[in-house]
Amino acid sequence: GAGVSQSPSNKVTEKGKDVELRCDPISGHTALYWYRQSLGQGLEFLIYFQGNSAPDKSGLPSDRFSAERTGGSVSTLTIQRTQQEDSAVYLCASSLDFGVGVLKNIQYFGAGTRLSVL
Amino acid sequence: QKEVEQDPGPLSVPEGAIVSLNCTYSNSAFQYFMWYRQYSRKGPELLMYTYSSGNKEDGRFTAQVDKSSKYISLFIRDSQPSDSATYLCAMSENYGGSQGNLIFGKGTKLSVKP
Repeated sequence: GAGVSQSPSNKVTEKGKDVELRCDPISGHTALYWYRQSLGQGLEFLIYFQGNSAPDKSGLPSDRFSAERTGGSVSTLTIQRTQQEDSAVYLCASSLDFGVGVLKNIQYFGAGTRLSVL
Repeated sequence: QKEVEQDPGPLSVPEGAIVSLNCTYSNSAFQYFMWYRQYSRKGPELLMYTYSSGNKEDGRFTAQVDKSSKYISLFIRDSQPSDSATYLCAMSENYGGSQGNLIFGKGTKLSVKP
């Protein structure tokens, strides 16, 4: 695809419901990243995938958050039992590779999913 | 103390002005420094990256890194209304690998008035 695609672009849910956010990276990009952008808080790193593997999940805010990636392509971020403090823009980025080398690791961002928990 | 500090602004300047955006950081292991531009309701896009200390110029944009002071800057010359956006600094210890995760500043919102 032309760029990183995220869906839905907006999601309104009720407190306690589960939500799934989808990220479709740039074709051929092996590395994928999830960030959360809260109002006035900047971007917070959540998790990254190298292929289908997520070596470090310590950035996830709580055990209600999980992420998976299948086929080295699409990734899903799932938030269970949503809380109001989960309201934020969730951004996905991808990069060509995940090794040493500046150009291979430039991260390209999607437009994000704006999540509102009522 | 946050790892990366950035004045959120907002910063309002007239068209044609020189804009200076800055970030300070505390982690001396940071080696890679980036500036992203984010338009409203869009994802961040990479403007410039630099490695270690020094200057880098690209058109109207100049990035400076002073590792001794733990201070980075982005200068925009002849600013245009189309430069109106939020500018985020980001940095990492390495580029790629387990230390390649970017640490972002909160972003500075810039408005360039015609």
